[in-house]
Amino acid sequence: AQTVTQSQPEMSVQEAETVTLSCTYDTSESDYYLFWYKQPPSRQMILVIRQEAYKQQNATENRFSVNFQKAAKSFSLKISDSQLGDAAMYFCAYRTRPGGTSYGKLTFGQGTILTVHP
Amino acid sequence: DAGITQSPRHKVTETGTPVTLRCHQTENHRYMYWYRQDPGHGLRLIHYSYGVKDTDKGEVSDGYSVSRSKTEDFLLTLESATSSQTSVYFCAIRDRGGVNTEAFFGQGTRLTVV
Repeated sequence: AQTVTQSQPEMSVQEAETVTLSCTYDTSESDYYLFWYKQPPSRQMILVIRQEAYKQQNATENRFSVNFQKAAKSFSLKISDSQLGDAAMYFCAYRTRPGGTSYGKLTFGQGTILTVHP
Repeated sequence: DAGITQSPRHKVTETGTPVTLRCHQTENHRYMYWYRQDPGHGLRLIHYSYGVKDTDKGEVSDGYSVSRSKTEDFLLTLESATSSQTSVYFCAIRDRGGVNTEAFFGQGTRLTVV
């Protein structure tokens, strides 16, 4: 079974600064997907960014980018130019590639609470 | 926003009583999931469905059952609620396909068992 670990229960950053959230995972599979989700106080789960394991290029979405290190099984999220609206719980998640009996199930990390200071 | 609705949004119930949470979708997506969110554990999969009447257990299925009699509805039942089932429950849906078919989540149901 796959496991996802977020070792930082809480992080903080000053507005306009950069912060990196860490995520490691364990799997015996070679093809999979990784995600970062944001959960603001409203509880809504919002997909921030996705990475396909077979792609060496790190994914980017505006101010959000990842550092995907497949051999190290590491998948960190970098938030640049942090904004007050970035304050939320962030979850790292793993998904087996489609096919077989995976059925798109997600395995989540424990979450990291990000506080943004003005 | 994806058409996914959870009901109720909040519920307080007594230990030993049965509870049913409903997830309703208007997207005609094949896959539906129930997760629970607890501090220090993130979200954990309870049960999932890959079609009408096709369901299977997830990581934390003990004490829960599910049913999916039609595409749009996925019900989660706690046969006899316990305090350990106090949690926030999320339903998610997903269509067929690859990485770009993301999962969409409902707004969550906060369940308190007293």
